[in-house]
Amino acid sequence: EAGVAQSPRYKIIEKRQSVAFWCNPISGHATLYWYQQILGQGPKLLIQFQNNGVVDDSQLPKDRFSAERLKGVDSTLKIQPAKLEDSAVYLCASSGSGYRAKSQETQYFGPGTRLLVL
Amino acid sequence: SQQGEEDPQALSIQEGENATMNCSYKTSINNLQWYRQNSGRGLVHLILIRSNEREKHSGRLRVTLDTSKKSSSLLITASRAADTASYFCATPPSGSARQLTFGSGTQLTVLP
Repeated sequence: EAGVAQSPRYKIIEKRQSVAFWCNPISGHATLYWYQQILGQGPKLLIQFQNNGVVDDSQLPKDRFSAERLKGVDSTLKIQPAKLEDSAVYLCASSGSGYRAKSQETQYFGPGTRLLVL
Repeated sequence: SQQGEEDPQALSIQEGENATMNCSYKTSINNLQWYRQNSGRGLVHLILIRSNEREKHSGRLRVTLDTSKKSSSLLITASRAADTASYFCATPPSGSARQLTFGSGTQLTVLP
């Protein structure tokens, strides 16, 4: 069974440009998360989806960040326009039943997208 | 806001030695999880301990939980160079069963 897929793996853009990240969670996982991880820090939750509905987006900078999860499967995270401080690794994770899930609370992470804003 | 904080921030040991990392948290929890992150990779779940458990083992990993002190420890026995990674504790924020709040992590370096 495949794990969480993310693309692209790396992205370099200039400030004020737009960028989009894609995530394909583990099949059957109802919950999907986007995290931002700044160098030297732990991941910080940006948004949580349950199926195709938003559970929590309280830490998502909504003036520039947006996310959607169409049909309750794949998800995209967009930044428009990007700022220098958005340079970070963007991690997607999913949780749910099936896929040898250790528990409903266990989150499975993708490899992340490393964003550099110049 | 961060719920869990790991200590120490960095740890360097020789291969074969044991590594102990600690995590303190602030509010009541129903579970605490430990994750590992190799450089340039995503996080990998290591172990989950529930609030009614005091100790849990998985291979060379041993996790303890002291809810009275709001702390947890992760012990890696007989460390290997491949254990070099960042280790994070994660706890659900108050009122949430499925979210996790991560600490800043302990960077473990195992020297061959």
